Amino acid sequence: GAVVSQHPSWVICKSGTSVKIECRSLDFQATTMFWYRQFPKQSLMLMATSNEGSKATYEQGVEKDKFLINHASLTLSTLTVTSAHPEDSSFYICSARWAAGVGVSRSTDTQYFGPGTRLTVL
Amino acid sequence: GQNIDQPTEMTATEGAIVQINCTYQTSGFNGLFWYQQHAGEAPTFLSYNVLDGLEEKGRFSSFLSRSKGYSYLLLKELQMKDSASYLCAVSLWTDKLIFGTGTRLQVFP
Repeated sequence: GAVVSQHPSWVICKSGTSVKIECRSLDFQATTMFWYRQFPKQSLMLMATSNEGSKATYEQGVEKDKFLINHASLTLSTLTVTSAHPEDSSFYICSARWAAGVGVSRSTDTQYFGPGTRLTVL
Repeated sequence: GQNIDQPTEMTATEGAIVQINCTYQTSGFNGLFWYQQHAGEAPTFLSYNVLDGLEEKGRFSSFLSRSKGYSYLLLKELQMKDSASYLCAVSLWTDKLIFGTGTRLQVFP
C-alpha cells in the first residue's frame, strides 16, 4: 500500500523559534498533499492544500505567513511553523493523494496519511 | 457550511457488532471515507463509498445513502484492538476531505 512518512515524529521547541516538518510519499508520486492539525480529542482540521510546483491553498483562519508550506517535488512537502507559540502545540498530520486523471479508479481518491508530528512549544 | 455529525462515544463488548452512524450536509460530494485512528497515531483508511449501498471488507462494512446524506460503519466480531476513534470524512469536488468529529469506540471484554 501507499506509504507516507513524516519527520520528525515529535519536536519540542522554545516559543519564538521555527519548526520544519517534512512529509514524504515513499512509493508513489503525490500531486497533492494536505496538512491537517488535530487538537486532543478533536477531529482533523484541514489547514492547507499543497500542489506540487504551486502555492498552497490555505483554509479560512489559517495564517499563511505563519504556516509556510512548500511542495517542491512530487514526493516532498514541508510545513514550517514560524515563530511558534504554545497555542501552536498540536498534532500535525500530512496526507498525500495520487491523482491519475480522468477515469481513475476510486482508490486513487484516497488520501494516505503520515504518522503525524507532535509539536510542543514551551 | 459543511456539517458532519457522528456520535461522540460508543461502547461495545468483545465479539459483538457495532454500527457507527454518520450524517452529512456538504456543498458537493465526491465520496465518503471511513478512517480508524488510534490515540496518538495517524488515521488509517478503512473504506470508501461513492455509490449507494453496502461495501463489505472482512469484519468491516460501510453503507451509504446519498439521498439521505447518511452513512454507517459496521464492525463485526469486535476485538479489543478495535478500540479507537472512527472518523467519517466527506470528499468534496475540490478534493478536500472534511472530517467529522470522530466516534471514540471502547470495546470491553
